[in-house]
Amino acid sequence: AQTVTQSQPEMSVQEAETVTLSCTYDTSENNYYLFWYKQPPSRQMILVIRQEAYKQQNATENRFSVNFQKAAKSFSLKISDSQLGDTAMYFCAFMKGNTDKLIFGTGTRLQVFP
Amino acid sequence: DSGVTQTPKHLITATGQRVTLRCSPRSGDLSVYWYQQSLDQGLQFLIQYYNGEERAKGNILERFSAQQFPDLHSELNLSSLELGDSALYFCASSVGQFYTEAFFGQGTRLTVV
Repeated sequence: AQTVTQSQPEMSVQEAETVTLSCTYDTSENNYYLFWYKQPPSRQMILVIRQEAYKQQNATENRFSVNFQKAAKSFSLKISDSQLGDTAMYFCAFMKGNTDKLIFGTGTRLQVFP
Repeated sequence: DSGVTQTPKHLITATGQRVTLRCSPRSGDLSVYWYQQSLDQGLQFLIQYYNGEERAKGNILERFSAQQFPDLHSELNLSSLELGDSALYFCASSVGQFYTEAFFGQGTRLTVV
């Protein structure tokens, strides 16, 4: 069974600084997808970034980028130029290829301070 | 706004009761997924429907059931409610049977007292 581990329950960063959230996963699959979702206080789940396991290049979306280390089964999220609006819970999620369900980690609560 | 609509936003009910949560997917999306977010279990996949048919089942209790109607909206029915069923229930939708991007609704906060 696949598992997703987020070892940092809480993180804080000052506005405009960079922060990295960690995620590791366990799977024997070769075809899978990894995601980072953001859940602000409004509680809506918002997709931040997606990585296909077959792609070696790390995904980037504006200020958000990932460091995907397939051999180490690591998938960290880097947020550059942190903004107050980045304050939220961040969930790492795994999806086996051609299946339907997301397996979520326990989340990291990120607080951005002015 | 993700385009996925869930009603009601909040629901308070007593133990032993039955409730129905409703989800309208984004226009054009055929798949609907239900997830439960609780303090104990975190975010867990419950069930998926694709174009009216059950596609996949996760950790869904026998007291819970769901369906997807011809207009593609979905309902999650929770019966014989227990205190431990208190949680945030999310609906998500995607275009195809297998998704690479799912859009989530704002959730229904269920409180069982």
